[in-house]
Amino acid sequence: QQPVQSPQAVILREGEDAVINCSSSKALYSVHWYRQKHGEAPVFLMILLKGGEQKGHEKISASFNEKKQQSSLYLTASQLSYSGTYFCGALDGSSNTGKLIFGQGTTLQVKP
Amino acid sequence: NAGVTQTPKFQVLKTGQSMTLQCAQDMNHNSMYWYRQDPGMGLRLIYYSASEGTTDKGEVPNGYNVSRLNKREFSLRLESAAPSQTSVYFCASRLLGAGAHTGELFFGEGSRLTVL
Repeated sequence: QQPVQSPQAVILREGEDAVINCSSSKALYSVHWYRQKHGEAPVFLMILLKGGEQKGHEKISASFNEKKQQSSLYLTASQLSYSGTYFCGALDGSSNTGKLIFGQGTTLQVKP
Repeated sequence: NAGVTQTPKFQVLKTGQSMTLQCAQDMNHNSMYWYRQDPGMGLRLIYYSASEGTTDKGEVPNGYNVSRLNKREFSLRLESAAPSQTSVYFCASRLLGAGAHTGELFFGEGSRLTVL
């Protein structure tokens, strides 16, 4: 079942903060976060693993609450370059070889 | 490094025609995926291949077939295209670690398909 993201869309001014949430009705074992700019392919941001370990490449933080089956992505002091659509993805089941299913996306627009 | 390469990038078909989308990766990844993206629907998994020699259905497999030709290549075939298959198709690959949920997805640039 597809993860559910909220909000669907966010409009910010440069320097403001945003939180994007991702929740699942099934148990989460890991959560992926990706960003897609208009007309481009999605690009990896980070993976959050059970136990709190994070693996990522950018200075964007996230949390993973296994009990609540949800993850949140924190974008602080937003920059124009943060604009795009953010997707969370979750494996369907406990196996790493299973389906990687994405939420419907959250569109973030940062204005000057 | 080329990463994930998809061909063609654009295609227009008539209803009932068939076509194959090609995908190749040069990162020695073991797992490959096909997603479709429609406005407001996010990325929906069509088929995936966890390793060479295996393929499994995703969320929306109807109307599609796949072939994992070898470790590098994973093709998606539309046997009889329908207007509902108008979409942007993304191929992706990842390296699965033994027993760990690591392995980020690397996406191709996408193939834009229009079915008239």
